[in-house]
Amino acid sequence: EAGVTQFPSHSVIEKGQTVTLRCDPISGHDNLYWYRRVMGKEIKFLLHFVKESKQDESGMPNNRFLAERTGGTYSTLKVQPAELEDSGVYFCASSAGREHSPLHFGNGTRLTVT
Amino acid sequence: SQKIEQNSEALNIQEGKTATLTCNYTNYSPAYLQWYRQDPGRGPVFLLLIRENEKEKRKERLKVTFDTTLKQSLFHITASQPADSATYLCALLSGGYQKVTFGIGTKLQVIP
Repeated sequence: EAGVTQFPSHSVIEKGQTVTLRCDPISGHDNLYWYRRVMGKEIKFLLHFVKESKQDESGMPNNRFLAERTGGTYSTLKVQPAELEDSGVYFCASSAGREHSPLHFGNGTRLTVT
Repeated sequence: SQKIEQNSEALNIQEGKTATLTCNYTNYSPAYLQWYRQDPGRGPVFLLLIRENEKEKRKERLKVTFDTTLKQSLFHITASQPADSATYLCALLSGGYQKVTFGIGTKLQVIP
């Protein structure tokens, strides 16, 4: 089966610009998560979709971040306008519908804001 | 606040020895604990899950223990190999479709 794919793998943008990250989960996985790792810190939860609905968005840093999951398939995470502290690696993960199902991660998008 | 502690210092061991990694947590009552492996430039990969009512879980050369009294999990790799070199992440989750909370990870280096 195809794994979780993320695009782009790297993005370098200037402060104030907009960037959109995309995640394609494993087919059939209703749960989709976004996580972020800032250099030197642990991987931190951003939000969780169940199908197209936001189940938990308590980890979203502020209203500059907007996540969508149209039709319950792929998801996008938009940062607008980007700030320097948004730099990091953004991971997407998906899981099947069972409780405590393991997360299947993509390889992440490395975002650098200059 | 909830806190997960892993030794963020790298652990170097000789090939063939047993590697033991520690995960401690505070202000948390997890129902499940997971361990993931992460290689440079890649996303974490799930290895093992252990429930709060389980003391120990094994999978091939891997063994995980979970002590809810000490609030600690130990992750062992026996007969370690250079290919085991990676960062290992401890992750906690409550029951239900809750978010998974990760530790910072411990980098393991197995020396031939």
